Amino acid sequence: GAGVSQSPRYKVTKRGQDVALRCDPISGHVSLYWYRQALGQGPEFLTYFNYEAQQDKSGLPNDRFSAERPEGSISTLTIQRTEQRDSAMYRCASSLSRVGETQYFGPGTRLLVL
Amino acid sequence: GNSVTQMEGPVTLSEEAFLTINCTYTATGYPSLFWYVQYPGEGLQLLLKATKADDKGSNKGFEATYRKETTSFHLEKGSVQVSDSAVYFCALIPFNTDKLIFGTGTRLQVFP
Repeated sequence: GAGVSQSPRYKVTKRGQDVALRCDPISGHVSLYWYRQALGQGPEFLTYFNYEAQQDKSGLPNDRFSAERPEGSISTLTIQRTEQRDSAMYRCASSLSRVGETQYFGPGTRLLVL
Repeated sequence: GNSVTQMEGPVTLSEEAFLTINCTYTATGYPSLFWYVQYPGEGLQLLLKATKADDKGSNKGFEATYRKETTSFHLEKGSVQVSDSAVYFCALIPFNTDKLIFGTGTRLQVFP
């Protein structure tokens, strides 16, 4: 079956532009997670959803970052007024349900802010 | 707080050598423990997991045992192959939460 998909795979943008990163979870998965991974580091939690409800956004670094999952399936992570420090790999994961379930990751979106 | 510490890489081995990648954790309560692997050019894949003390996770010849007394979850494989070359991440989910907390990753390079 299809895994988690993310688009675009690569995004190059200029400082100050807005970007939207998309995640399409595994069909039937209730929970969806966003992580950010800097070069040479492990992924760091940003936010997660159960169905369409955003349960925890404590990892979002500031108010330029937002995420939504309006119909409980596809999610979009939006970064407004991008800065060079936002350059990273953005990873999405999904799981069947919450509390300790295995999270399955997509291929990631590599964002480069010039 | 919750955190994961794993040995720095790269770990360089010859084919058929024994592999150990150390991982220790700090967490309140009883976390679930995971090893994820990232092959070159690919995304993160779950390798194995353990959800309670003394559980052993295993997959593809890799093993790790949840040791609560030493707060460790070391990854082992008896005979590595060139195809095992990848970055390995130890991670935990704290009790009653959903956030994966990762270590910094250990790069394994296996030469023929």
